Amino acid sequence: GAGVSQSPSNKVTEKGKDVELRCDPISGHTALYWYRQSLGQGLEFLIYFQGNSAPDKSGLPSDRFSAERTGGSVSTLTIQRTQQEDSAVYLCASSSTSSKAKNIQYFGAGTRLSVL
Amino acid sequence: RKEVEQDPGPFNVPEGATVAFNCTYSNSASQSFFWYRQDCRKEPKLLMSVYSSGNEDGRFTAQLNRASQYISLLIRDSKLSDSATYLCVVNQGGKLIFGQGTELSVKP
Repeated sequence: GAGVSQSPSNKVTEKGKDVELRCDPISGHTALYWYRQSLGQGLEFLIYFQGNSAPDKSGLPSDRFSAERTGGSVSTLTIQRTQQEDSAVYLCASSSTSSKAKNIQYFGAGTRLSVL
Repeated sequence: RKEVEQDPGPFNVPEGATVAFNCTYSNSASQSFFWYRQDCRKEPKLLMSVYSSGNEDGRFTAQLNRASQYISLLIRDSKLSDSATYLCVVNQGGKLIFGQGTELSVKP
């Protein structure tokens, strides 16, 4: 079956512009996660969805960052008024909440964002 | 102090060597534990879950010591294809907390 799909794979934008990143999770996975990996840095958690609600938004770096999920499936991460420090790879993951799966998260290939 | 700390690396080893990675975590409420592998410019992929009883998958053995909050990964008979960054990962309330990763380079 299909894995986690993210689009676009690469995005180059100018400072101050808004960008939208999309994530399509594995079919049937109820939980969806956004992470960010900056150059030379580890992966950092941004936000987590269970269904359409976000119980944990603690990792969003500022109010320029927001995310939503509709229909319990596709999610979009929006960054407003982008800054150069937003340049990173944005990774989406999804997981099944069945006990057998033990909350294992599967990652998409990511969106590489470059803010000029 | 980072929530998940790993050996800084990089590790450069010959083919056939045995390699050990170590990791400690700070939050005793952490619920589940994993090793992920990340190839250059690719997404992380699950290598194996880690259990208190220890678990083995072919050449790979993982151990968890909850009392000392320590996780390990052992790779035996390393192959060129094992070259990658190995990430120690802890699940806290659903979100994954990643170590900085240890780069492994296996040479012929």
